[in-house]
Amino acid sequence: AQSVTQPDIHITVSEGASLELRCNYSYGATPYLFWYVQSPGQGLQLLLKYFSGDTLVQGIKGFEAEFKRSQSSFNLRKPSVHWSDAAEYFCAVVSNTGGFKTIFGAGTRLFVKA
Amino acid sequence: GAGVSQSPRYKVAKRGQDVALRCDPISGHVSLFWYQQALGQGPEFLTYFQNEAQLDKSGLPSDRFFAERPEGSVSTLKIQRTQQEDSAVYLCASSSLGQGVFDEQYFGPGTRLTVT
Repeated sequence: AQSVTQPDIHITVSEGASLELRCNYSYGATPYLFWYVQSPGQGLQLLLKYFSGDTLVQGIKGFEAEFKRSQSSFNLRKPSVHWSDAAEYFCAVVSNTGGFKTIFGAGTRLFVKA
Repeated sequence: GAGVSQSPRYKVAKRGQDVALRCDPISGHVSLFWYQQALGQGPEFLTYFQNEAQLDKSGLPSDRFFAERPEGSVSTLKIQRTQQEDSAVYLCASSSLGQGVFDEQYFGPGTRLTVT
């Protein structure tokens, strides 16, 4: 079955520093991949998605992610973190086991220190 | 514009009570999803509607869980005889396309259910 692993439960970065959140997926074919962000008290918001084509995907709020088939990874990056980026980040993949559905990782909570 | 709304935002139920959670998707959105998010976990798929048709209910954990979307807009997730393990945040999401998993899903703020 398809699955998503986010190895880091939480990460702390300084404001202005670069950020990389890790995501590894398990999928036989070309995956459909997403990154969502969940801010406190708010619904999940899509940051970016990858279906095919260019393996470097640009998203909203200055985020980007790179699909690496050889490493089964889809890591999220941002060159300079802002305090408002503190939130929970979820990587997700579309599974086609018994019908199409979205499988989410357990999430990585990002803390930003001044 | 209006996003996905859910009500109530918080619900406390005594074990054994029935609860009904409401989702108002974005107007015109074809696909509607329900997810269950336990504390410290990612959302887990419960069920999927395309208009009024429930096309996938494979994620519903037991026959105590029931969802409907009778007119293809508002949806209700009902949990009968609630148990403590049902305590979670229930998220609703909608998408404009029929194959909604391949498109952006717009999430509501969730209903936090606590069963005591």
